[in-house]
Amino acid sequence: KAGVTQTPRYLIKTRGQQVTLSCSPISGHRSVSWYQQTPGQGLQFLFEYFSETQRNKGNFPGRFSGRQFSNSRSEMNVSTLELGDSALYLCASSFIAGGHQETQYFGPGTRLLVL
Amino acid sequence: GDSVTQMEGPVTLSEEAFLTINCTYTATGYPSLFWYVQYPGEGLQLLLKATKADDKGSNKGFEATYRKETTSFHLEKGSVQVSDSAVYFCALSARGNEKLTFGTGTRLTIIP
Repeated sequence: KAGVTQTPRYLIKTRGQQVTLSCSPISGHRSVSWYQQTPGQGLQFLFEYFSETQRNKGNFPGRFSGRQFSNSRSEMNVSTLELGDSALYLCASSFIAGGHQETQYFGPGTRLLVL
Repeated sequence: GDSVTQMEGPVTLSEEAFLTINCTYTATGYPSLFWYVQYPGEGLQLLLKATKADDKGSNKGFEATYRKETTSFHLEKGSVQVSDSAVYFCALSARGNEKLTFGTGTRLTIIP
């Protein structure tokens, strides 16, 4: 079974631009979560989607948004990029049982550099 | 809120040494506990997990036991290899709160 895939793997943007990252979950997984990893803040939860609905959101500004499609693929968007948005963005998918997440499996990440 | 505290690194060991990376947690209820590993330039890989008290997770020679009385989930391996060099993250997931809360990570380097 194929793992979680994320595209693109690397991105370079300039301040003020916007960016869209994509995540395809493991087949059969309907929950997709996004995390930001930086050397200073570590791994932080951004949001989680299930059945095209955002169920949980972390403490990030409104510039960070996401969505999920009917095939469970997800995208996240960051508008008006700031230097501090430079990070590794990780997507994780999980199976849902009884309405709750099972174990989360991660993709390789998208490394974003904002200049 | 939920939190995970793990042993600060970096940790440097010789090949075949015994490894312990400490992890303690704070959470309401009965969270599931995980160890993830991150190799350079890669995402996170699930190493092992435990979903209830006294469960022992194990994989690739690594073990961790869910200790509710001490709110701990320490990672151990009896004989480390150079290929175990990576960053290790302890994490918890509280039921009904669909996210992982991570520790700060411990960088492990194994010297031949």
